[in-house]
Amino acid sequence: GAGVSQSPSNKVTEKGKDVELRCDPISGHTALYWYRQSLGQGLEFLIYFQGNSAPDKSGLPSDRFSAERTGGSVSTLTIQRTQQEDSAVYLCASSSGQATNEKLFFGSGTQLSVL
Amino acid sequence: KQEVTQIPAALSVPEGENLVLNCSFTDSAIYNLQWFRQDPGKGLTSLLLIQSSQREQTSGRLNASLDKSSGRSTLYIAASQPGDSATYLCALRGDSNYQLIWGAGTKLIIKP
Repeated sequence: GAGVSQSPSNKVTEKGKDVELRCDPISGHTALYWYRQSLGQGLEFLIYFQGNSAPDKSGLPSDRFSAERTGGSVSTLTIQRTQQEDSAVYLCASSSGQATNEKLFFGSGTQLSVL
Repeated sequence: KQEVTQIPAALSVPEGENLVLNCSFTDSAIYNLQWFRQDPGKGLTSLLLIQSSQREQTSGRLNASLDKSSGRSTLYIAASQPGDSATYLCALRGDSNYQLIWGAGTKLIIKP
């Protein structure tokens, strides 16, 4: 597609429920990142996918968080048994993965609210 | 450990003024530094990317500089407009790691 697409744009859920957030990167981009942004804070790295390599999951805050990337394209971030502290904007970004001096392209994010 | 700081957290200036946003970092061993713009409810848009071997990059009314020895980058906005109102974040890529280290951003308001 023309840009990085994320869905849903907003998600309101009850504490304890599971949620799935979706990211469609720019076509052909092999690198995909998930970030979390809490109100007034900088971006917190969650997970990184690069091609067929094993993902870097070092930023996932707990085992309730997991992510997959199917076919090297679409990615899904799953949060199980959501907690109120999970409320944040979840941002996805992609890049060509060809060089370290490359720009990241971001989606508009998913605003997650856990009641 | 690399730390990135953006001061001030918020800035309000009248339309038409030139202004400078600051980004400081603690470790000069970086690959590149990017400036991003974030509008409310939107994702981030990359404005400028400066490679470690460069000292500045320009795009339209924007000019970003990089001084690794002093651990500073600045984003200069000329002839500011209300449409420039947004949060500006800097992020740098250190050594060979693909991860970006982010500042918390400066919220800029341009008053008409």
